[in-house]
Amino acid sequence: SQQGEEDPQALSIQEGENATMNCSYKTSINNLQWYRQNSGRGLVHLILIRSNEREKHSGRLRVTLDTSKKSSSLLITASRAADTASYFCATVRIQGAQKLVFGQGTRLTINP
Amino acid sequence: DAGVIQSPRHEVTEMGQEVTLRCKPISGHNSLFWYRQTMMRGLELLIYFNNNVPIDDSGMPEDRFSAKMPNASFSTLKIQPSEPRDSAVYFCASGDLAKNIQYFGAGTRLSVL
Repeated sequence: SQQGEEDPQALSIQEGENATMNCSYKTSINNLQWYRQNSGRGLVHLILIRSNEREKHSGRLRVTLDTSKKSSSLLITASRAADTASYFCATVRIQGAQKLVFGQGTRLTINP
Repeated sequence: DAGVIQSPRHEVTEMGQEVTLRCKPISGHNSLFWYRQTMMRGLELLIYFNNNVPIDDSGMPEDRFSAKMPNASFSTLKIQPSEPRDSAVYFCASGDLAKNIQYFGAGTRLSVL
């Protein structure tokens, strides 16, 4: 079964607005990662947050992690048309196991 | 680096035929992963290798699927015989064991008629 569940499944906003996507998971994790997938392409790693971190920033991306609630959020600020893609969270459950378990993804559409 | 290279990009075949998908990981990476992506089931891990050794093949759907990694720069995923339900996009990804991050190829879109 999928470890991560993204919410919402689809999100459509205007360019310039902020986009927030959420991810919930079921078991203890070593780290949580967010990936982006443009249509017809492979996934691209965006950011990794470790289980002992609560927040991380990378450019216009902000990720939070709440291990007590087993949830994470990805915030994209000042969205651009180029941000249109599917976004996936993925968890690594056991240190050293290397196995990423992906959620079903959030389809983000940025309207110009 | 050219990134993870998969071939072919598209494959159309008839039910019962053998299909071989190929992957060249990023040089220096020591882990390799095969995934399958469909609308219904999302992204599923099929098998992964560390240092060319298969570690977890629990995601391989059935005996018709097999994967090999004869050396650090090449891996294959074979389906024999193929069935229409195998139609999907198959991704290969490679990574560094120490960093946990995976780098994906562009995928092979397989259609089994």
